[in-house]
Amino acid sequence: GAVVSQHPSWVICKSGTSVKIECRSLDFQATTMFWYRQFPKQSLMLMATSNEGSKATYEQGVEKDKFLINHASLTLSTLTVTSAHPEDSSFYICSASLQAPYGYTFGSGTRLTVV
Amino acid sequence: RKEVEQDPGPFNVPEGATVAFNCTYSNSASQSFFWYRQDCRKEPKLLMSVYSSGNEDGRFTAQLNRASQYISLLIRDSKLSDSATYLCVVKNNQAGTALIFGKGTTLSVSS
Repeated sequence: GAVVSQHPSWVICKSGTSVKIECRSLDFQATTMFWYRQFPKQSLMLMATSNEGSKATYEQGVEKDKFLINHASLTLSTLTVTSAHPEDSSFYICSASLQAPYGYTFGSGTRLTVV
Repeated sequence: RKEVEQDPGPFNVPEGATVAFNCTYSNSASQSFFWYRQDCRKEPKLLMSVYSSGNEDGRFTAQLNRASQYISLLIRDSKLSDSATYLCVVKNNQAGTALIFGKGTTLSVSS
């Protein structure tokens, strides 16, 4: 149980285009979704926290106009990387918190390459 | 200073070896502690939670020292399948807060 389905698993896009990443909770309601980014040999860095029906809270240094997060329902959260550039190439992963004691569940991640 | 710091690694050990990873955290408000395992840039998977009393799960033993803000993971009798990156993770106990990850330490077990 408690599966988060993340799509796409990988995407290659041209510089200047936008990419949407979706995370769906399949068998539970995800009130809160966390979005992380991981560069090679680096830790997962929290980008933003999204709560269903309200605006996302972004971490310092993350541009909210570039990384658009929508959490319009309890089963779907999306991250759109707008006007992507090569430096946005990274591994993006979502995570939902579950009621104790179940902890957190992660999507399988999206590897974005901007060329 | 990073919130969670880990041994630089990588650790290259033979099968059967015992290996220890260390981690320190800077936020004294941290209340929950975990070790996660990440394979080949896939999603991280929970290995074990870490408790003040120390806890063991098979070949894996985790320890927490709140006074020193220090966490450790010991792996005994290493297997080839233990090769992965081990992430030290902390969280405060406010509802709805995210996990904070260390950079990870890479373990490579060879035959």
